[in-house]
Amino acid sequence: NAGVTQTPKFQVLKTGQSMTLQCAQDMNHEYMSWYRQDPGMGLRLIHYSVGAGITDQGEVPNGYNVSRSTTEDFPLRLLSAAPSQTSVYFCASSYKPSSYNSPLHFGNGTRLTVT
Amino acid sequence: AQTVTQSQPEMSVQEAETVTLSCTYDTSESDYYLFWYKQPPSRQMILVIRQEAYKQQNATENRFSVNFQKAAKSFSLKISDSQLGDAAMYFCAYRRGANNLFFGTGTRLTVIP
Repeated sequence: NAGVTQTPKFQVLKTGQSMTLQCAQDMNHEYMSWYRQDPGMGLRLIHYSVGAGITDQGEVPNGYNVSRSTTEDFPLRLLSAAPSQTSVYFCASSYKPSSYNSPLHFGNGTRLTVT
Repeated sequence: AQTVTQSQPEMSVQEAETVTLSCTYDTSESDYYLFWYKQPPSRQMILVIRQEAYKQQNATENRFSVNFQKAAKSFSLKISDSQLGDAAMYFCAYRRGANNLFFGTGTRLTVIP
């Protein structure tokens, strides 16, 4: 029972490099989202998706791209990494987008450092 | 815009005692949901308790309960009989619409043996 799987767990990038953070869930969840966690700022929503083929922006979308070609996967792409993107990234999913009885399931996070 | 404020960056409690963590939020909506999440050092996000805004009765989950004051836009978490395993960061969160959560900045809880 894998739940929400994020890879990698840790990553170091140089400024200007691009990379993709992977997120996969095996619970057939419709809703998936990406958050970043910074000290003193809690978690902030980057992008979200309410189903395959549908994505939308959250609070802090700049510098990130997402796509949702399958129900299971929701990768987060950093186009040109900047030191301000140093953070811990969480992927989260739930069964129904608007259902109260569908709590968010979080992955274990990816710690990204941009030098 | 909706914002969530946790005014206590750090709190401590003696083992077996009770502690209350504060949370206030700002919204113009009448229908929404509120949550408390726990984040231990493992970094995992764990749902502790949730409250529907249209319910006047305060939610309770074992040793965890909330004091939901809708008019005051306040949503505090009470932890009774505190245990060492309760030590963690606690985040208050507001949800509206899809399933997007807006989080506070967190309160770090230390449990003193």
